[in-house]
Amino acid sequence: DSGVTQTPKHLITATGQRVTLRCSPRSGDLSVYWYQQSLDQGLQFLIQYYNGEERAKGNILERFSAQQFPDLHSELNLSSLELGDSALYFCASSVSAGVTYEQYFGPGTRLTVT
Amino acid sequence: DQQVKQNSPSLSVQEGRISILNCDYTNSMFDYFLWYKKYPAEGPTFLISISSIKDKNEDGRFTVFLNKSAKHLSLHIVPSQPGDSAVYFCAASADGSEKLVFGKGTKLTVNP
Repeated sequence: DSGVTQTPKHLITATGQRVTLRCSPRSGDLSVYWYQQSLDQGLQFLIQYYNGEERAKGNILERFSAQQFPDLHSELNLSSLELGDSALYFCASSVSAGVTYEQYFGPGTRLTVT
Repeated sequence: DQQVKQNSPSLSVQEGRISILNCDYTNSMFDYFLWYKKYPAEGPTFLISISSIKDKNEDGRFTVFLNKSAKHLSLHIVPSQPGDSAVYFCAASADGSEKLVFGKGTKLTVNP
């Protein structure tokens, strides 16, 4: 158990809909990262938050957005969903920012768009 | 353009033997490398890392080797155990960035 929690574990929704994925980092970790893993793909970095502020952006679509709240939990919002958004979405956390630290991953949320 | 490549989708070894997982990268700015292990229905778990100022890092049965001139790293597992059966991801970062670039993974199967 990494200490990172993600809810829900599974999500099935229709095209055009909007969903919210939630992540709670390990106790004491200030950085939260979101990754997408599509079929046969490695993990693709989406976005990072540090202590409530956006710190780095990867290949995140404009239809996707995220935020980190004062209690350090984070939410990833996916809107106008398309079939190609079906994937595993992982959240990870690390202790700090500015230096590469090991990231600890949650179990993921499997999103299926039908 | 894939900056981190794991060219072997799968690898099968016998219990007790050595497992060698390979990873190549193209971005010369990468200076920190990590290996993660992933079991089905779980998130990736950090295994071992290496900075570009080193060429070897060891942790128990796991050793990572870095060849900067060849832009190549490898993970050695000795001896391999059935519980090591998992998908192994290589990841890299540049200039202290926390943005990790992952390979597609290699599925390791250790046969009893």
